[in-house]
Amino acid sequence: KAGVTQTPRYLIKTRGQQVTLSCSPISGHRSVSWYQQTPGQGLQFLFEYFSETQRNKGNFPGRFSGRQFSNSRSEMNVSTLELGDSALYLCASSSRGPRTGELFFGEGSRLTVL
Amino acid sequence: AQTVTQSQPEMSVQEAETVTLSCTYDTSENNYYLFWYKQPPSRQMILVIRQEAYKQQNATENRFSVNFQKAAKSFSLKISDSQLGDTAMYFCAFISLPSGTYKYIFGTGTRLKVLA
Repeated sequence: KAGVTQTPRYLIKTRGQQVTLSCSPISGHRSVSWYQQTPGQGLQFLFEYFSETQRNKGNFPGRFSGRQFSNSRSEMNVSTLELGDSALYLCASSSRGPRTGELFFGEGSRLTVL
Repeated sequence: AQTVTQSQPEMSVQEAETVTLSCTYDTSENNYYLFWYKQPPSRQMILVIRQEAYKQQNATENRFSVNFQKAAKSFSLKISDSQLGDTAMYFCAFISLPSGTYKYIFGTGTRLKVLA
């Protein structure tokens, strides 16, 4: 079974630009969640999607948005990039089955904002 | 607000020794799960162990075990017979399930280095 796939793995942007990150979950997983990882801050929850609906959202500004498609693939978008948005963005999928809550993570997309 | 606190930013342990990573959390919920995740250098985060709050018995997975103290809201991870491959960032995480929604809260992590 293929794991969680995130693209692109690395990207460099400048302030004011926007970026779109993609996440393909494990086949059969309908829940996809996104996290921002920075040194010293750990993982900050961005949002979670289930069956194309955003079920929960973290405390991030409206510049951070996401969506989920009918095949469960998800994208997140960050507009008007700021230097502080430099981070590793992790996507995780979950089956919501008997192993409730277990997350399967992708390798992440490392964003650098110059 | 729900919080997860890992008070040890970095730890080291000699190979074959035992180490305990600390985690405390705060919640008013009664139905929740606790997890320890491991993030090896430049590799994917993986689940180490999970604990359902309604279970009194501490979870165990091979060399990994937890000490779950619900009243004290404490959830520590013990690694026995440490191996070089255990070198990683370890994150304690909490999820509550009100209304079927998921919202994970992670601690800031503990960087564990196993010394040869």
